[in-house]
Amino acid sequence: GENVEQHPSTLSVQEGDSAVIKCTYSDSASNYFPWYKQELGKRPQLIIDIRSNVGEKKDQRIAVTLNKTAKHFSLHITETQPEDSAVYFCAASIGDGSGGSNYKLTFGKGTLLTVNP
Amino acid sequence: DSGVTQTPKHLITATGQRVTLRCSPRSGDLSVYWYQQSLDQGLQFLIQYYNGEERAKGNILERFSAQQFPDLHSELNLSSLELGDSALYFCASSFSPSWGETQYFGPGTRLLVL
Repeated sequence: GENVEQHPSTLSVQEGDSAVIKCTYSDSASNYFPWYKQELGKRPQLIIDIRSNVGEKKDQRIAVTLNKTAKHFSLHITETQPEDSAVYFCAASIGDGSGGSNYKLTFGKGTLLTVNP
Repeated sequence: DSGVTQTPKHLITATGQRVTLRCSPRSGDLSVYWYQQSLDQGLQFLIQYYNGEERAKGNILERFSAQQFPDLHSELNLSSLELGDSALYFCASSFSPSWGETQYFGPGTRLLVL
């Protein structure tokens, strides 16, 4: 099955700096890569996702890049703010793109990001 | 608020007992997923249902079972509980189980087995 490795497990940055979290996946058939943010005691929430036909996607201060050849994808957060402090999870899934199929998400073990004021 | 509801929020029970966790998906969503989150294992996919039918299984123990009812709510049954079953259990839902469909997570049920 799919295996997703996520690094680093903890990351501490100063407010205003950039943060980068990296994930690698094992199954070359994976084609959907979401990123979730989980604040302490709360539910995971989708913050950005990318599909295998796209190399990069950006949403304000958040961007995700995908390198299918190397089987890795990364989350980039620029101009970090204290409210960005949370655990971030990457995930990968395989789907055939047709309705009625099933897909499951395999998550990385998470990165605890701390943004110091 | 994602629109996914889970009950109860907290559950404390003893080893050997059986519990049922309940999940109501977002209005209009047909697919439900169950995840277990523990400190050392992260988020582990357990099982997925779509419109009442089981669609995919992950690392779900034989002591655990689930079902999705005609009104689309889902229940996760955990039996013969062990200390190691203590974890946060999340339910997520999506409109369909199709590729790239966003999964919306509920608030979770925190289970403590003593």
